[in-house]
Amino acid sequence: EAQVTQNPRYLITVTGKKLTVTCSQNMNHEYMSWYRQDPGLGLRQIYYSMNVEVTDKGDVPEGYKVSRKEKRNFPLILESPSPNQTSLYFCASSFAGTNNSPLHFGNGTRLTVT
Amino acid sequence: QKEVEQDPGPLSVPEGAIVSLNCTYSNSAFQYFMWYRQYSRKGPELLMYTYSSGNKEDGRFTAQVDKSSKYISLFIRDSQPSDSATYLCAMSGSGSARQLTFGSGTQLTVLP
Repeated sequence: EAQVTQNPRYLITVTGKKLTVTCSQNMNHEYMSWYRQDPGLGLRQIYYSMNVEVTDKGDVPEGYKVSRKEKRNFPLILESPSPNQTSLYFCASSFAGTNNSPLHFGNGTRLTVT
Repeated sequence: QKEVEQDPGPLSVPEGAIVSLNCTYSNSAFQYFMWYRQYSRKGPELLMYTYSSGNKEDGRFTAQVDKSSKYISLFIRDSQPSDSATYLCAMSGSGSARQLTFGSGTQLTVLP
C-alpha cells in the first residue's frame, strides 16, 4: 500500500531532551516536507526537501533540523525541545514539488513537551 | 491579518443537506486552489484541485474559485455521515508545493 509512515504517533518528552520523529514513504517521491498543525493556525511548513541531500527552510524552521540522506526517509530532529513545540506534526510527500503533484500526508505525530 | 481565512465552525448539518464551505484570501498572486479533507486522527488528503477561476465538479463535490472576490468554496451535495471531517483549503501563487498556504480548517459533522 502506498503510504507515508510516521513514528511515533504519540510522544511525551521533557524540555531539552533531544528527539527524532521518523518519516518514510514508499512511493519513490522526490519531494518531502514537514508541517506542524496548531489550533487556529492551520498547517505551517517547517522544512522541505526537493530531493536527496537538498533541504530548505519553510515558514517556521526555528528549533528544528532535518536530513535527507535517502530518498524514502526524511526525519525531523528537535535537538532541544521546548514547550512551544508541543504540536501535531505531519510529514508529507509528493512525486514532484509542484502544485499539480498531490501531497500525501502521514497520519501525524502528536508531540507534548513538558 | 492572515493570508487565508476560513471559518473554523463547527458546522453541523442533517444527512442529505447541501454543505457550503468557504475561504477568503488576500494574496492576489494565488493561482492554485485545493481542498483537503482530514478525518480525526488522520493526515489531510487531497479532495479537489483547481487552477485559476471557475468551477470543478467531482461526484458530490464542487469547487468554485472567484479570483475577483478572492473567495473559494467547496459544495457537498447529498451530504453523508462519512463526510464528517475537517476541511482545509490551501492555495499557492506558483507551481511550487513549497509555497502552499493552508486555511485553519472547518470542522463538519453530518448527522444521520
